[in-house]
Amino acid sequence: DQQVKQNSPSLSVQEGRISILNCDYTNSMFDYFLWYKKYPAEGPTFLISISSIKDKNEDGRFTVFLNKSAKHLSLHIVPSQPGDSAVYFCAARISGGGSNYKLTFGKGTLLTVNP
Amino acid sequence: KAGVTQTPRYLIKTRGQQVTLSCSPISGHRSVSWYQQTPGQGLQFLFEYFSETQRNKGNFPGRFSGRQFSNSRSEMNVSTLELGDSALYLCASSSLATQETQYFGPGTRLLVL
Repeated sequence: DQQVKQNSPSLSVQEGRISILNCDYTNSMFDYFLWYKKYPAEGPTFLISISSIKDKNEDGRFTVFLNKSAKHLSLHIVPSQPGDSAVYFCAARISGGGSNYKLTFGKGTLLTVNP
Repeated sequence: KAGVTQTPRYLIKTRGQQVTLSCSPISGHRSVSWYQQTPGQGLQFLFEYFSETQRNKGNFPGRFSGRQFSNSRSEMNVSTLELGDSALYLCASSSLATQETQYFGPGTRLLVL
């Protein structure tokens, strides 16, 4: 049973436009969410996170939105750059009780930003 | 500050053999987690160590084991390798100072023939 789902395996956008990557989750116990970017032959790189007590978190060109009632989060990249082309993973965890260290990942979305 | 390092980066083994992978966390990080990435299953949690103790475990068979040393370095071992164990094995470290965000190493690519 996949608890974190990224339903779009790939997304293609033009340079300078907005990229929106989506993620849905089923486990209502998840209370902390993270986005990672991964290039081939490298480990995932942490991008941005959000706690369930917030509905938005911004860091430069990256903004994550959380809709708890819909169990949905999205990552917005504005403006998109060719260097953003990578696989993006959504991850979730349950805080406390030693579970902070177990991340449940989606299967990733390949973002391609065309010049 | 140096990132998470993993050795070796690439490994080829045959079925039935065993393998040991090593991970050195970011200096000061005491928690080390291991993940397996395969095309079909994505990134799956294997286990997590803190202060030389396994604190969390994923749904993998007993052939997968690990340990952590007093300097926080960690090793994972896979015995009696199967073809399906071919994967990218990723190590991540974290600390309370970073709000427990996990930072990943480059991974070890294991190919089982």
